[in-house]
Amino acid sequence: AQSVTQLGSHVSVSEGALVLLRCNYSSSVPPYLFWYVQYPNQGLQLLLKYTSAATLVKGINGFEAEFKKSETSFHLTKPSAHMSDAAEYFCAVSPQGAQKLVFGQGTRLTINP
Amino acid sequence: EAGVAQSPRYKIIEKRQSVAFWCNPISGHATLYWYQQILGQGPKLLIQFQNNGVVDDSQLPKDRFSAERLKGVDSTLKIQPAKLEDSAVYLCASSRGTEETQYFGPGTRLLVL
Repeated sequence: AQSVTQLGSHVSVSEGALVLLRCNYSSSVPPYLFWYVQYPNQGLQLLLKYTSAATLVKGINGFEAEFKKSETSFHLTKPSAHMSDAAEYFCAVSPQGAQKLVFGQGTRLTINP
Repeated sequence: EAGVAQSPRYKIIEKRQSVAFWCNPISGHATLYWYQQILGQGPKLLIQFQNNGVVDDSQLPKDRFSAERLKGVDSTLKIQPAKLEDSAVYLCASSRGTEETQYFGPGTRLLVL
C-alpha cells in the first residue's frame, strides 16, 4: 500500500524567497513519485515526476525535487518564488509500472509581495 | 491538442436527487480516470477505465455511484441518490496507457444541499 504525507497545509513565502514544500511517502514497493499543481478552478497539472532514473528531478516553471530513499522524502523546491506560483500543490505516489496515484492532502502556497 | 473536457463545470442539487457528469478525454487516450476531491483533501480515485473496460473501481461507492464508457471514448459518472457528503469536485483524467502521465480536466464542482 502507498500513502503520502505533506507537511504543512499552508506555506507562505515572500516573492524571491526559496520555496520548500515537504512530502514524505510510504510504499511497500519501489515507488514513482509526482508533484502536481492546481490553480483555482482548474484541474491538476504535472510539475515533475520521479520514475527511478535520476534522483534529482527538474520540472516545469523552475521547480525541482529530490528523491531520498533513506528519508522516504520527495520535497519540492524552487530557488526564487514568483507571484504566479501561488497555487495548491499535491504530492502523489504510485507503484512502479503503474499510474495508480495516491495523493497527499495538498499544500497551499501563498506568495507575499 | 485539446485537453480533457468536462461538463457541467458547476452543479447544485438537493440531497436525494440524481446528477450526471460528462468527460471527453484527450483524443487517443485509452485510459480514463474519475477522481473525487473533497475540499481540503487530495483527489481520490473512484474508477479507472482501459478503453471501455473497468480496471479498478474498488473505491467507488457502488450503491449510489455508477460510471460508464460505452464506446471507449466519452465517459459519464452518475450519482443516484446524492448525499450531502458527495459535495466535492469531480475530476476526470486521461492517459495514453495505464503507465503514462495523467492529464486532468478542470473538474465539476458539485454542491449537495
